[in-house]
Amino acid sequence: DTGVSQNPRHKITKRGQNVTFRCDPISEHNRLYWYRQTLGQGPEFLTYFQNEAQLEKSRLLSDRFSAERPKGSFSTLEIQRTEQGDSAMYLCASSLGHGEVLTFGAGSRLTVL
Amino acid sequence: KNEVEQSPQNLTAQEGEFITINCSYSVGISALHWLQQHPGGGIVSLFMLSSGKKKHGRLIATINIQEKHSSLHITASHPRDSAVYICAVCDSNYQLIWGAGTKLIIKP
Repeated sequence: DTGVSQNPRHKITKRGQNVTFRCDPISEHNRLYWYRQTLGQGPEFLTYFQNEAQLEKSRLLSDRFSAERPKGSFSTLEIQRTEQGDSAMYLCASSLGHGEVLTFGAGSRLTVL
Repeated sequence: KNEVEQSPQNLTAQEGEFITINCSYSVGISALHWLQQHPGGGIVSLFMLSSGKKKHGRLIATINIQEKHSSLHITASHPRDSAVYICAVCDSNYQLIWGAGTKLIIKP
C-alpha cells in the first residue's frame, strides 16, 4: 500500500465547468476526510466519511459540492459550476478510526480561470 | 475566540535552539494531532495524543487534558525543521478542528 493517493494532482478549469477529484485511502482505513486549503491558510474541514456513510458536512460545502464514498473505499469530491473562489488545494486524509493518526494525500490543486 | 489557539504564530530561531510550540483548546476532545507542512508540500502527521507524552527522534509532544493544553518541542533544531506546525483536535462530534499553524524558520 502506497499511502493515500489523490488524482489529479493539478486541475485547471474554466469558471462554470464541473470538476471531480478522487481519493484512494489506505485500504484498511475506515475514516476518510476532505479538506480545502487556500494559500497561506490552514486546512478547512469539508466533510468526512465513516466507511460509506457521510457523517459530517461543513457549512463551507455549498450545494455545488458533493462527496461520495460508495463502497467505503475510494472517495470522490465533485464541484459543479466552479467559481474562481474554489481555487485551492483539496486534501484527503484517512485514518483507521476516530482519534487515530491521520495520513494525508499529496492533495489536488484546483485552479479556476 | 477560536476553539484551537496556537502560539506563537511565527517563530524564527538559530540552529541548535530548543523550540516550543503551544496549543490550547476550548472543546472536549478525544485526541490531539500535531502535523507538519513544508512549503509547497504535503501534510505529515507527527503525533496523535490522548494523554501524556510521546517522543519521536528530536520531537516531543505533551498534552495536559485538565488544562486543555499541548506542547510540541524540538530539540537541537535544524534548518530542515523549518515548516508550518499545525495542532488539530478531534472533538466529541468526531470533527477535526485545526489551529492556524505556527510558521517555524530555523536559521543555520
